[in-house]
Amino acid sequence: DGGITQSPKYLFRKEGQNVTLSCEQNLNHDAMYWYRQDPGQGLRLIYYSQIVNDFQKGDIAEGYSVSREKKESFPLTVTSAQKNPTAFYLCASSSPPGLERNEQFFGPGTRLTVL
Amino acid sequence: KNEVEQSPQNLTAQEGEFITINCSYSVGISALHWLQQHPGGGIVSLFMLSSGKKKHGRLIATINIQEKHSSLHITASHPRDSAVYICAVGNSGGSNYKLTFGKGTLLTVNP
Repeated sequence: DGGITQSPKYLFRKEGQNVTLSCEQNLNHDAMYWYRQDPGQGLRLIYYSQIVNDFQKGDIAEGYSVSREKKESFPLTVTSAQKNPTAFYLCASSSPPGLERNEQFFGPGTRLTVL
Repeated sequence: KNEVEQSPQNLTAQEGEFITINCSYSVGISALHWLQQHPGGGIVSLFMLSSGKKKHGRLIATINIQEKHSSLHITASHPRDSAVYICAVGNSGGSNYKLTFGKGTLLTVNP
């Protein structure tokens, strides 16, 4: 089945540790996105990538890093510089812009808790 | 002021009731998206529309571009419709298409 997978579903880390969240898609989509969701707030864009080996900062990129070495994969690293990393992280992908192709498909999310 | 405002924030209904969730936005958009988020967190895209009206099963989405307003309707609501419904507006800045999200409406449908 085509879709987006994120792993793990729940992740616990100690303060000061870097942690990498996985996102894989087999939809052959060019664009991939990372969002953060906090209680009572809308999703906020962390990073996005329109094509392999290229990515752009979103609205809240500080304390995060990404890579896009393969079309299928867009891992997100939450670094120790992120002041408040505990949140629900969602990955999404879409086809290039144009008509209906902007529809974004979301993964199941990873809930990160920093202790 | 948020660029995307949803109302109500919380909505409780009895099974079978007609549900309306509203979304207003303050920026120019390429398209408006309605998303559904179930407990557990996964998000499903329900509609993407740039004009008029779309229908899928018991769900109907409408948009009024001039008034910068969209509504999501659920007919004959069912407890399985209980979820958070999220409105998002999309903008194409150059070649990049980006979404701005509302805070969501928590719908609870009681049997």
